[in-house]
Amino acid sequence: SQKIEQNSEALNIQEGKTATLTCNYTNYSPAYLQWYRQDPGRGPVFLLLIRENEKEKRKERLKVTFDTTLKQSLFHITASQPADSATYLCAPFGRYQLIWGAGTKLIIKP
Amino acid sequence: DAGVIQSPRHEVTEMGQEVTLRCKPISGHDYLFWYRQTMMRGLELLIYFNNNVPIDDSGMPEDRFSAKMPNASFSTLKIQPSEPRDSAVYFCASSTRTGRVGNQPQHFGDGTRLSIL
Repeated sequence: SQKIEQNSEALNIQEGKTATLTCNYTNYSPAYLQWYRQDPGRGPVFLLLIRENEKEKRKERLKVTFDTTLKQSLFHITASQPADSATYLCAPFGRYQLIWGAGTKLIIKP
Repeated sequence: DAGVIQSPRHEVTEMGQEVTLRCKPISGHDYLFWYRQTMMRGLELLIYFNNNVPIDDSGMPEDRFSAKMPNASFSTLKIQPSEPRDSAVYFCASSTRTGRVGNQPQHFGDGTRLSIL
């Protein structure tokens, strides 16, 4: 079955450093992969979408890579800030719908 | 512009009672999704609609769950009878029509936190 794995433990990063989150998927080849941010008590908010023929996508301090050989996407936040603290969800597109990872909790310490 | 609006934000009820969750998608969006989120299982797709028509309801856990979309601006998710294991946060999301489901961002409401005692 299609499976998504994200860092299960919280990621603690010092303010100003680059945070890197990992999303691995197995048993399928998504044509698209999306990343979302979720704050406590709120719904997920869309951040970036990357297609299988794109190796990298950038938006301000955010960068996403998509390695279809490794079946992995990396999500980077450069010059991290405490306001970036949240849970980040990856969602590769399955056969008919997005398949959601459990999310990685990111904590940026001042 | 208004985002996806869900009501109520919180619902506490006793086992066996009927629960109705409501969603107003973003105007102009013609995909609507209902999700359930728990610590154990994460975010699960229950059902989604395209142009008010249910397309995939394979995620609906049991016959106790039903969803309707009578028009483009309103959808309901009903649980009857409710059970304690239905306790979760239920999200509604919508997206635009362009392209396939996977290549458009989904816009989420802030969810309904449901507790069944």
